[in-house]
Amino acid sequence: DAKTTQPPSMDCAEGRAANLPCNHSTISGNEYVYWYRQIHSQGPQYIIHGLKNNETNEMASLIITEDRKSSTLILPHATLRDTAVYYCIVRLFKAAGNKLTFGGGTRVLVKP
Amino acid sequence: DTEVTQTPKHLVMGMTNKKSLKCEQHMGHRAMYWYKQKAKKPPELMFVYSYEKLSINESVPSRFSPECPNSSLLNLHLHALQPEDSALYLCASSQDPGQGATEAFFGQGTRLTVV
Repeated sequence: DAKTTQPPSMDCAEGRAANLPCNHSTISGNEYVYWYRQIHSQGPQYIIHGLKNNETNEMASLIITEDRKSSTLILPHATLRDTAVYYCIVRLFKAAGNKLTFGGGTRVLVKP
Repeated sequence: DTEVTQTPKHLVMGMTNKKSLKCEQHMGHRAMYWYKQKAKKPPELMFVYSYEKLSINESVPSRFSPECPNSSLLNLHLHALQPEDSALYLCASSQDPGQGATEAFFGQGTRLTVV
């Protein structure tokens, strides 16, 4: 699975959009981009995933560049409960032995 | 039901004890995972089971012994652990890996302290 690079931390204001970047320049054509978050002392929570098209769900939007070498997770209206560590993961699917490997993540602090 | 249930939530054990961590899911998922997480670090993959067979062992020491008795249950047997094994142990599950992209669901973890 390709490696990812994320900023170690970022602050954002409550009610504003939070844009979380991720670099995955070695991604291959059949690898997906996944985002998870982990609120303090809880298990990671799935947010969204995509292959090459932009994706949106009730939690967030995922924008993947045309060359697929980077992506941005957008939380449209950040709340204090969005304070968490956000992980960008690149994942290859195959019939057996699927890994889900976490990198360092971005520690996001939403401030009032 | 989209829950992965882990028991116990907290466990304190001595270095000579034998204990087990349990994980259960009823979503029909055929892939199950164990992760270890130290404070302020990302989760580290330990084991992956696919269709109740061990498919990945990330060079985990033998004092950790996984077991998948059926498609809903995953155990992690612990024996002769060291204090540095103290961590949050997370279980996860996901759908049939051969069916394409799918998300993994995580339990809340077992906080293990080895004394």
